[in-house]
Amino acid sequence: GDSVTQMEGPVTLSEEAFLTINCTYTATGYPSLFWYVQYPGEGLQLLLKATKADDKGSNKGFEATYRKETTSFHLEKGSVQVSDSAVYFCALSDPTGGGNKLTFGTGTQLKVEL
Amino acid sequence: DTGVSQNPRHKITKRGQNVTFRCDPISEHNRLYWYRQTLGQGPEFLTYFQNEAQLEKSRLLSDRFSAERPKGSFSTLEIQRTEQGDSAMYLCASREDGVNTEAFFGQGTRLTVV
Repeated sequence: GDSVTQMEGPVTLSEEAFLTINCTYTATGYPSLFWYVQYPGEGLQLLLKATKADDKGSNKGFEATYRKETTSFHLEKGSVQVSDSAVYFCALSDPTGGGNKLTFGTGTQLKVEL
Repeated sequence: DTGVSQNPRHKITKRGQNVTFRCDPISEHNRLYWYRQTLGQGPEFLTYFQNEAQLEKSRLLSDRFSAERPKGSFSTLEIQRTEQGDSAMYLCASREDGVNTEAFFGQGTRLTVV
């Protein structure tokens, strides 16, 4: 079945540092890929998505590129802020299944310090 | 519209009791999903509705679990004879029809079985 593997946290960075959170996936079909973010006390929010190979999703300074050859969708940001502290989830959705349910990784907690 | 609403936000119940959660999706969204999230894990798919029809159920959804969406609007998730292993955050999400439309999540109902 489909699965998502992402790097374990917590990841602790200083403000303005470069961020990479690794994500790889296994899917039987040709999935769409997502990054969701969960801020403390809030629900999951879509951060960015990519629906086909070589697509780059971007939002709020975050980027991720759909790499079919390495089955990866790593999240990057050039300069993190304290306000980026949250839990980040990589997820996939296989559109051929009809339901478009999401399969999530275990989440990576990011802590950004001054 | 204020987004996906879930009630209650927290529920503490004794083992063996029945509990029911409610989800009010975004009004124009036909698709509604339930997920379960345990500590340190990503959300796991439970079930999915297209309007009032329940189209898919996960193996995680044992016979003690039942979900309904009677008029294609709000949905309820009932757990009968709760067990300590049912303690988790129960998340609801909704989306419009379409292959890669965004899923919007509620803040969840945190269930604690004592």
